Amino acid sequence: DIQMTQSPSSLPASLGDRVTITCRASQDIGNYLRWFQQKPGKSPRLMIYGATNLAAGVPSRFSGSRSGSDYSLTISSLESEDMADYYCLQSKESPYTFGAGTKLELK
Amino acid sequence: EIQLQESGPGLVKPSQSLSLTCSVTGYTITSGYDWSWIRKFPGNKMEWMGYISNSGSTNYNPSLKIRISITRDTSKNQFFLQLNSVTTEDTATYYCARGIGTSWGQGVMVTVSS
Repeated sequence: DIQMTQSPSSLPASLGDRVTITCRASQDIGNYLRWFQQKPGKSPRLMIYGATNLAAGVPSRFSGSRSGSDYSLTISSLESEDMADYYCLQSKESPYTFGAGTKLELK
Repeated sequence: EIQLQESGPGLVKPSQSLSLTCSVTGYTITSGYDWSWIRKFPGNKMEWMGYISNSGSTNYNPSLKIRISITRDTSKNQFFLQLNSVTTEDTATYYCARGIGTSWGQGVMVTVSS
């Protein structure tokens, strides 16, 4: 199975900060990388697909990028509504696998 | 607008089968996409369990392959999860989804306990 190593597991940040979460794939996944946001008591929400494409309705402060086998989700200026858990997922090869998650919280 | 809704028992005894239904409105499951089951364990690990395609073929996570079955009823626009021989390690919140998470149901928490 493809392993997705996500970091950090926890990210304290302040409103207005630029924050970045990273996933590293254990083998080539091309751009088959998705990012999800999950708030407490809610179902996950697709934020980024194809490594860099913003899903419908997602604010433009969110962006996705790739450098080799490293994939990043960046929030350019953190807002209170962004406090949530974030997960990456590779959809290149079955079984599709998630990163362990990052808890984004207020410092 | 597509909506997915999981339903099923919240408590299952060890060694029994877990059966969940995903009811889809706003989109016909035979029109396109794969239709997935994904679960989230206590402690927050997420696992893709498998999907049934719009044509009815299935693809399962090998870690579950012996125990899992995903089927559908196209007349009701529903698809189903059956997981056999459950243990306490199958305690999780179970989600149905269109594709690999394009749209999600609200999730149903299932506890495996005697």
